[in-house]
Amino acid sequence: DAKTTQPPSMDCAEGRAANLPCNHSTISGNEYVYWYRQIHSQGPQYIIHGLKNNETNEMASLIITEDRKSSTLILPHATLRDTAVYYCIVRALNTGGFKTIFGAGTRLFVKA
Amino acid sequence: DAGITQSPRYKITETGRQVTLMCHQTWSHSYMFWYRQDLGHGLRLIYYSAAADITDKGEVPDGYVVSRSKTENFPLTLESATRSQTSVYFCASSDPLAGSSYNEQFFGPGTRLTVL
Repeated sequence: DAKTTQPPSMDCAEGRAANLPCNHSTISGNEYVYWYRQIHSQGPQYIIHGLKNNETNEMASLIITEDRKSSTLILPHATLRDTAVYYCIVRALNTGGFKTIFGAGTRLFVKA
Repeated sequence: DAGITQSPRYKITETGRQVTLMCHQTWSHSYMFWYRQDLGHGLRLIYYSAAADITDKGEVPDGYVVSRSKTENFPLTLESATRSQTSVYFCASSDPLAGSSYNEQFFGPGTRLTVL
């Protein structure tokens, strides 16, 4: 699975959009981009995923560049409850048991 | 209750003791996973299972044993606990659909294990 690079931490004002970047320059054509988040010692929670098209769900939007070497997770109106560690992961559909490799992630602080 | 549960939630043990962490899911998901998370780090895969009676090693399997006699249960055993195994352990499950990218993993609440 391709490796990802994320900034270690970011701040965001409550009510503003939080834009979390992720670099995955070695991504393969069959690898998807997934985002999870982990709120204070809880188990990670799935947010969104995509292959090459931009995706949106009730939690967030995912913007993937045309060359697929980077992506951005957007939380449109961040709240204090969005303070968490956000993990960007890339993996293929069939990777020896759907293993997910988590890096250190980005710690997002949403401030009032 | 539906979902994925882990027990115990907290455990303190001594070096050399055997410890078993339990994981139970009610969705009949085919895949189950065990991760450990050390302070300030991401999750590392210990073992995973694709189905009952099928298990395989992850990144950090040494010192751990797993079994999966039933689809819904995936216990993790530390045969002789060491201090380096002090960590938070997360169990997860998924049910990837054939031909679909949607193989979201659902995580349990975690077990905080301290080895003295």
